[in-house]
Order: sequence, then structure tokens, then C-alpha cells
Amino acid sequence: QSALTQPASVSGSPGQSITISCTGTSSDLGDYNYVSWYQQHPGKAPKLMIYEVSNRPSGISNRFSGSKSGNTASLTISGLQAEDEAEYYCSSYTSSSYVIFGGGTHLTVL
Amino acid sequence: VQLVESGGGLIQPGGSLRLSCAASGLTVSSNYMSWVRQAPGKGLEWVSVIYSGGSTYYADSVKGRFTISRDSSKNTLYLQMNSLRVEDTAVYYCAREYEGNYYMDVWGKGTTVTVSS
Repeated sequence: QSALTQPASVSGSPGQSITISCTGTSSDLGDYNYVSWYQQHPGKAPKLMIYEVSNRPSGISNRFSGSKSGNTASLTISGLQAEDEAEYYCSSYTSSSYVIFGGGTHLTVL
Repeated sequence: VQLVESGGGLIQPGGSLRLSCAASGLTVSSNYMSWVRQAPGKGLEWVSVIYSGGSTYYADSVKGRFTISRDSSKNTLYLQMNSLRVEDTAVYYCAREYEGNYYMDVWGKGTTVTVSS
């Protein structure tokens, strides 16, 4: 099964808001609310930022929020900070192969 | 809570390798535990999961070649990798899948597997 579709890159200035989209199908995020988002800095392990579409784990800033509409999920980061610059991956349960990830989006803070 | 992977290295195509993931602060056998890999410069790819009840599942790309298992006495997760291919080259992460809800909330730092002649 193909990966979920994410834009290769997004950028924003400090203090601005950005949104990263993640598009799937009715076999994955379209039919299930098991959508999660991960942040990964170079050379580091992924870090859970959002789970079950819009829930934040303890310790994650409320500047990070998630949503879903139809076959597309979104991660919004408000009040961009330099440390937000990283790779972001969406993930979803899929009825065909358990868990599937997006291809990743590189966020540049200008 | 900590997960520490080990066992990676350089291996020739067709060879075998066993990865380990030692856990502290969580009980491997009471959790859903996954392996996720990341090829150089590429995205994340889910590889395998073992449920707390013992059921196991695999990505199509590794089915029949990889085996996930655990040792309760050592609180350690394993990934036995046989018939390795060049395309299996990646950083392999072990991760806890929280209560079987398809998201990974605890990750190790990863171990690197390089398959090359």
C-alpha cells in the first residue's frame, strides 16, 4: 500500500501558523480516527505530537493541534518557533497493513 | 521509561541478524510493541507488531523473512531478520504502541542495519 500523501516541504516565519496536510483513503484515515503525528529532528527518534486525530500527549505544547476532514488530516502549528524546524510524519491505522506513515514534510522556520 | 535497541551492523545480502530492544520502566509482555524502520534519507515504515496477547503482524515487505518475539524474563523485544536484502538497510526503531491504539508513544533511539556486499 502507498504511503499517506504529505507535501514535501512547508515553511513559515517565527510567530506565524502553518498547516501540514496528510491525505489518505477510505481504507485508512478516511474511515478511522487513528491518526497520529510525529516530529523528527535530524538524527533523532520520532516524537509523538498528536494522537487519535487531535489529542496531545502530556508535555506537548498547545501550539500543536490536529484535525481531520474526510480523507485528509491536518497538523497545525501556531506561533512558530525555531525549534519547530523538523520533519513531520502523519500516520494512520489501515485495514490492509496495520499502520501506514506519510512520506514526511520538512518544516523550515524562516 | 526507556527502550534501547542493539544488534545492528553490516551484513551481506542473504544474511541474518537479530535486533534486541531492552526496556526499562515498562513491561514488554504487557504492551503492544512495534518495530519501525527508516531507510537512509527516507520516511518511516512500520515493520511488525507483537500484541500483549502474543499475536504478531508484519508488513508485506518483510513477511516470511522477519520474526518478532519477546523474552519476558529479560523484558526484551526482538526482531529476527533472515534473507536480508539491500532494501532492508535502515535505522530500526522499537516503539511501544499505546494500548493497541495504533500510535507509538515511546521510542528507542534506533539501531542501524546495513545490508551490502
